[in-house]
Amino acid sequence: SQKIEQNSEALNIQEGKTATLTCNYTNYSPAYLQWYRQDPGRGPVFLLLIRENEKEKRKERLKVTFDTTLKQSLFHITASQPADSATYLCALENTGNQFYFGTGTSLTVIP
Amino acid sequence: KAGVTQTPRYLIKTRGQQVTLSCSPISGHRSVSWYQQTPGQGLQFLFEYFSETQRNKGNFPGRFSGRQFSNSRSEMNVSTLELGDSALYLCASGLGGFDTGELFFGEGSRLTVL
Repeated sequence: SQKIEQNSEALNIQEGKTATLTCNYTNYSPAYLQWYRQDPGRGPVFLLLIRENEKEKRKERLKVTFDTTLKQSLFHITASQPADSATYLCALENTGNQFYFGTGTSLTVIP
Repeated sequence: KAGVTQTPRYLIKTRGQQVTLSCSPISGHRSVSWYQQTPGQGLQFLFEYFSETQRNKGNFPGRFSGRQFSNSRSEMNVSTLELGDSALYLCASGLGGFDTGELFFGEGSRLTVL
């Protein structure tokens, strides 16, 4: 069955550093992968989508890479700020709008 | 434009009762999907509706059901509640075509079963 793993449950970094989060998947060949941010008690909010033919995607301080050979996506936040503290989820879409989510990585940016 | 609206935001039920949760998608979105989120299991797919038809269903027992109305609003129902059904139930709306981009989530309905 499809499996999505985000390699660490929690990540603490100093303000100003780059946070790197990992998403690995098995038994799946997604056409694209998405990243979401979730704050406590709130619904996830879409951040970025990267397609299988795109190696890298950027949006302001965010960067996502997608390696279909390694079956892995990396999510980077550069110049991190305390406001970036949240849980980050990666998601793959199965055929027909059935999304699989990783369990998330809780990021804490320390001032 | 207005986002995805879920009601109620919080509710407490006892074992054996049933519950109905409501979701109003973003205007123009025809796909509504439901997810259960718990600390141990993360976000798990329940089912997805498109134009009043259930297109996909996750691995949940038959006690979990849903429907979608002609205005795209959706409801999900859980019957014979169990303690393990305590969770945040999230609704998401989207355009509904494959590879059409992101999901827009509501704030969720927090269900506590006592």
